[in-house]
Formats: sequence, structure tokens, C-alpha cells
Amino acid sequence: DAGITQSPRHKVTETGTPVTLRCHQTENHRYMYWYRQDPGHGLRLIHYSYGVKDTDKGEVSDGYSVSRSKTEDFLLTLESATSSQTSVYFCAIRGSGQGGTEAFFGQGTRLTVV
Amino acid sequence: GQQVMQIPQYQHVQEGEDFTTYCNSSTTLSNIQWYKQRPGGHPVFLIQLVKSGEVKKQKRLTFQFGEAKKNSSLHITATQTTDVGTYFCADQTGTASKLTFGTGTRLQVTL
Repeated sequence: DAGITQSPRHKVTETGTPVTLRCHQTENHRYMYWYRQDPGHGLRLIHYSYGVKDTDKGEVSDGYSVSRSKTEDFLLTLESATSSQTSVYFCAIRGSGQGGTEAFFGQGTRLTVV
Repeated sequence: GQQVMQIPQYQHVQEGEDFTTYCNSSTTLSNIQWYKQRPGGHPVFLIQLVKSGEVKKQKRLTFQFGEAKKNSSLHITATQTTDVGTYFCADQTGTASKLTFGTGTRLQVTL
């Protein structure tokens, strides 16, 4: 699984509280991504990173911030969680092998905002 | 923004029947990637198509990229229970290789 670990795997939080999800990779990949998955929408890009301290917004970035202070860690923060942010969150890295630029995904974090 | 739709949303087949999912984009696709996600799992890369009209095969799976690069399809011959899952197409764009996913087709296979 390309050495990607997401934590926590499951979290229940209350509306209005801050939440941070962590993605850790062990293979020194430059590009990292956060997606959310909701029924009927497939996966949608929240934010991505192309290097340490280099990040950019995806299509559904409102209400989310990210940080990447080390190559191996990409953090996703919900500053003030809302029920609409209940979702499954996937971290991904971009491969660099023979296959080219395929994405490898972590196991996902199921977040419930009550 | 770009919209990538897949049809059908859900299909239930008996083992041995064929299955096809179609991926249609509102804009020209750059590179199409296909992923499979087992229930409760994470998306796993299957294949990438780059050229107009390209056809690739992986055992019982056949992938096609439309001539106008606005659609793609995945066909599974003689489905097996191991094919159960949701199949996503995704358009990969830009130097950052961002993915715009289709809505997905969930396949259920019964004996």
C-alpha cells in the first residue's frame, strides 16, 4: 500500500470542534492529496501538496486547511467541524514507478460530526 | 467545473454475465485512470489510458478511451464474485496529477 498510514481511522466529533487528520508516508513521495468520499459524488479533491510547505486548494477546500512541515506528513484540519463534513477521508500519494502517475490511497478515515 | 458522470450507478449481475460501466465527461479528458474500490476498502489503481481510441486489456477487463476523449468504458467479461466493488474513472490533469473522479458504478455479483 505504498507505505501510507492514516490516523485516526475512525473519529466522532461534535459540531464546532477542531479536528486534525494525519497522513504519513514512508517513501519520500513529493505529491500528496486529501480527498473526501460521499455517496453519489465519488471522491473529491480537498487540498494537495507538491512539497514541504507547498500546498494548494482542490475543488472542495472551503472549511479545510492543510499543512506539510515534513515530506512524510500531510495534515488536514477542520477548523470548526460541521455536519456536512461527515465523510470518509482518503489521503493519497502520486506514484513514481513504471506505471507513471497513478495514485496510491491510504486506508481512509471515517469522520462523523454530530 | 468539469463533471464526470458514470452509468449505471449500480448493477447487479449473476456470476458469468458481462458488465460494462461508462464514463462521460463534460469536457475533454486528459488522461483517464480507472480504480476499483472493494466494500469498506480504498481505491486501487487498475489502469491508465492516454491516447484517443486506446484499448487496453487486463485478463477479463477491457478498457477503452473514446475517439473524442470525452468518454471511456470498462468492460468485464464473465464476471466473478471477486469483481464485486465500485469502479471509478478519474481524469488526471496538470503537473500535480490531480484527479477528478467519476461518480462510480457499484457492481454486485451473485452466484
